[in-house]
Amino acid sequence: NAGVTQTPKFQVLKTGQSMTLQCAQDMNHNSMYWYRQDPGMGLRLIYYSASEGTTDKGEVPNGYNVSRLNKREFSLRLESAAPSQTSVYFCASSRDGAAKNIQYFGAGTRLSVL
Amino acid sequence: DAKTTQPNSMESNEEEPVHLPCNHSTISGTDYIHWYRQLPSQGPEYVIHGLTSNVNNRMASLAIAEDRKSSTLILHRATLRDAAVYYCILSLSLDSNYQLIWGAGTKLIIKP
Repeated sequence: NAGVTQTPKFQVLKTGQSMTLQCAQDMNHNSMYWYRQDPGMGLRLIYYSASEGTTDKGEVPNGYNVSRLNKREFSLRLESAAPSQTSVYFCASSRDGAAKNIQYFGAGTRLSVL
Repeated sequence: DAKTTQPNSMESNEEEPVHLPCNHSTISGTDYIHWYRQLPSQGPEYVIHGLTSNVNNRMASLAIAEDRKSSTLILHRATLRDAAVYYCILSLSLDSNYQLIWGAGTKLIIKP
């Protein structure tokens, strides 16, 4: 029972490089989310997808793009990485977007941009 | 935005109850109160959530004040494995979907 799987677990980029963070869930959830977590802080929502084929901006979307490839997969792309994007990135999913629903999280991707 | 206020850190002894407070004075009538925890170097993990009534599950209890402006997460018998950052979170309506708005959380230290 994998839950939410994120790849890669660690990544080091140079400023200006691009990369895609992958996320997949096997719980048949409709909603998926990308968060970032900076040291000593809570999570901040980057983008979310309420259902397959839809994506919407969260609190901190600048510098990122997302793709909801299918119901299982939701990827996050950094087109031109900047040192300010050094962070831990978490993907999550929930049954739907209702206020009462539980979000399930992956183990995170630790990204350093030099 | 719905926001929460929590102590930065708390200490407790192993096998004793722990009461983690949270203030949310700007809560609206439809906001659920969620608690998640994050163990070191792991993703957040759901603990409990509620709307108006107190809630119990296998992990913890959630006591919600009558005016809903505060709540308390209760760990009945803390173990070393409960050492984590505990986040008290409110939901926020965003285009008919609800998002979780995270604060900095309370770091819970368990002393053997």
